[in-house]
Amino acid sequence: DAGITQSPRHKVTETGTPVTLRCHQTENHRYMYWYRQDPGHGLRLIHYSYGVKDTDKGEVSDGYSVSRSKTEDFLLTLESATSSQTSVYFCAISESIGTGEKLFFGSGTQLSVL
Amino acid sequence: GIQVEQSPPDLILQEGANSTLRCNFSDSVNNLQWFHQNPWGQLINLFYIPSGTKQNGRLSATTVATERYSLLYISSSQTTDSGVYFCAVGLNYGGATNKLIFGTGTLLAVQP
Repeated sequence: DAGITQSPRHKVTETGTPVTLRCHQTENHRYMYWYRQDPGHGLRLIHYSYGVKDTDKGEVSDGYSVSRSKTEDFLLTLESATSSQTSVYFCAISESIGTGEKLFFGSGTQLSVL
Repeated sequence: GIQVEQSPPDLILQEGANSTLRCNFSDSVNNLQWFHQNPWGQLINLFYIPSGTKQNGRLSATTVATERYSLLYISSSQTTDSGVYFCAVGLNYGGATNKLIFGTGTLLAVQP
């Protein structure tokens, strides 16, 4: 499982409340990612990190922020949750295999915004 | 941006049958991966295959980068092969697999 733990596994919250999802890895990988999965859209990249305090936006970053203060932790924050952010959120790491990087996912967090 | 199309969108097989899943992409890439999402939602990396052919047990994959497509072959299918198969493509920037673009997947159901 590439040593990736996501928490919580499930969360129900109300519109307008802040929400933070946590991704923890144990194998000192440099690159970490947050994706969301929605029916009909596959997986879409929200934000990624290429080192401590180094992050960049993905294709669906509006309404989300991230932080990485330690190599092992990558946090995704919804500042004011909306119903459109109801989704399954996956954290991933990438592992160098010489010619490129191979992606491995955590188990996901099911978030419902009511 | 790069467009990724997977076909067929849905597939039903009898156990023991073979199948071929296709991934077409619209631009040059140097990173292509196949994933299986099982019915419990877990995403497993099957292949990193920007070009050429690889095999892993009953599964094999071939990517023809110059023609912008990749194929995933499943032989002697089993019920445990059920789930969604995703293709994802992108460009390696200095080693970072950032901005991988995923297709919408092929939903496979293998019946006993």
